[in-house]
Amino acid sequence: EPEVTQTPSHQVTQMGQEVILRCVPISNHLYFYWYRQILGQKVEFLVSFYNNEISEKSEIFDDQFSVERPDGSNFTLKIRSTKLEDSAMYFCASGDQGVSGNTIYFGEGSWLTVV
Amino acid sequence: QKEVEQNSGPLSVPEGAIASLNCTYSDRGSQSFFWYRQYSGKSPELIMSIYSNGDKEDGRFTAQLNKASQYVSLLIRDSQPSDSATYLCAVNSIQKLVFGTGTRLLVSP
Repeated sequence: EPEVTQTPSHQVTQMGQEVILRCVPISNHLYFYWYRQILGQKVEFLVSFYNNEISEKSEIFDDQFSVERPDGSNFTLKIRSTKLEDSAMYFCASGDQGVSGNTIYFGEGSWLTVV
Repeated sequence: QKEVEQNSGPLSVPEGAIASLNCTYSDRGSQSFFWYRQYSGKSPELIMSIYSNGDKEDGRFTAQLNKASQYVSLLIRDSQPSDSATYLCAVNSIQKLVFGTGTRLLVSP
């Protein structure tokens, strides 16, 4: 069964360092998402991406964050200068028709620890 | 701010009982509603989707939707200890899903 894959599964980084989280969405999907979940809290939307551009972003997704689809298969989330409060599980998700009337599937997540 | 509200629980039920999980949402324009299950430290896993008012059954799971009341529920029949997890209600809002905080379900043997 096709699945969304994410790497790394766990990364520890120094505060102020740049981090890139990688995702390979399901191959025929066109809509891509990043969500995050701080330990013990709810799953929060960061950004949605369609047709090689951001379609919606949340207040959390400020200038330190960026997304890219560099090669037609990978979908990356870059955090430019990490802060302690960026420590969270980051989930990539993909869907073939967007969320209205259709399902999105989540990867296993990348656990980011900023120290 | 579009909100999805769930009781955080825990909801404790004995094995074999029916577990009833509830969710309300604020965005009247929402058309798609989802229940995800999340085990500790794992990613959300889709259980059910529902788009029309009424009931939708899939095995031991039944999702119920009432758009007039802005209310979604999930019933789990014959609850098993393996059903112990956090159940997330998610509602579409334009180009994203908005999640509730989740209800923690504990099924005791």
